[in-house]
Amino acid sequence: NAGVTQTPKFQVLKTGQSMTLQCAQDMNHNSMYWYRQDPGMGLRLIYYSASEGTTDKGEVPNGYNVSRLNKREFSLRLESAAPSQTSVYFCASDKPPGQGDYGYTFGSGTRLTVV
Amino acid sequence: GENVEQHPSTLSVQEGDSAVIKCTYSDSASNYFPWYKQELGKRPQLIIDIRSNVGEKKDQRIAVTLNKTAKHFSLHITETQPEDSAVYFCAASKGASAGYALNFGKGTSLLVTP
Repeated sequence: NAGVTQTPKFQVLKTGQSMTLQCAQDMNHNSMYWYRQDPGMGLRLIYYSASEGTTDKGEVPNGYNVSRLNKREFSLRLESAAPSQTSVYFCASDKPPGQGDYGYTFGSGTRLTVV
Repeated sequence: GENVEQHPSTLSVQEGDSAVIKCTYSDSASNYFPWYKQELGKRPQLIIDIRSNVGEKKDQRIAVTLNKTAKHFSLHITETQPEDSAVYFCAASKGASAGYALNFGKGTSLLVTP
């Protein structure tokens, strides 16, 4: 039982390049989320998917797109990377209250640097 | 959207003392309030949570209190130990209406000195 798996763990991009961060969970969770973490800023929600086939914007969606490929996978795409997108990105999944232990399960994070 | 404010941003205590971290939220529709601990270089992990129909919850040395009227909640750690040193985040959620998404505070860096 791997929980939430994120790839890659580290990435360096040049300004203007594109890339996709991958996230997969094996806990049969309905909801999945992408956050970015910057020093002193906490975790800010980029996009979320409450269930397969739906996605919604969070607090800081500009410059990102997402795809909920199936129930397991939720990817985050940077179409044209900018230095302001240098951050640590966390994927998380969750199941609603009343279905056992509640609370996010986070992936191990992707440390992205845009130069 | 929901705004979660967290204080203090840094907190230093001596081993054995208590530590208190406070958070306020803006949206009265929020109904779930978890706390996460993040050690350096690791992912955040849930340590305790509370729902809006409960005023207090305790788990060994950790307790959380909620005041819905004032829209604030607090984390209390008693008998602190060096391994409690980490960054702590509070969060709030409006539940199903917002996809169970969490809005996080900016974090409190707790240092417990021996």
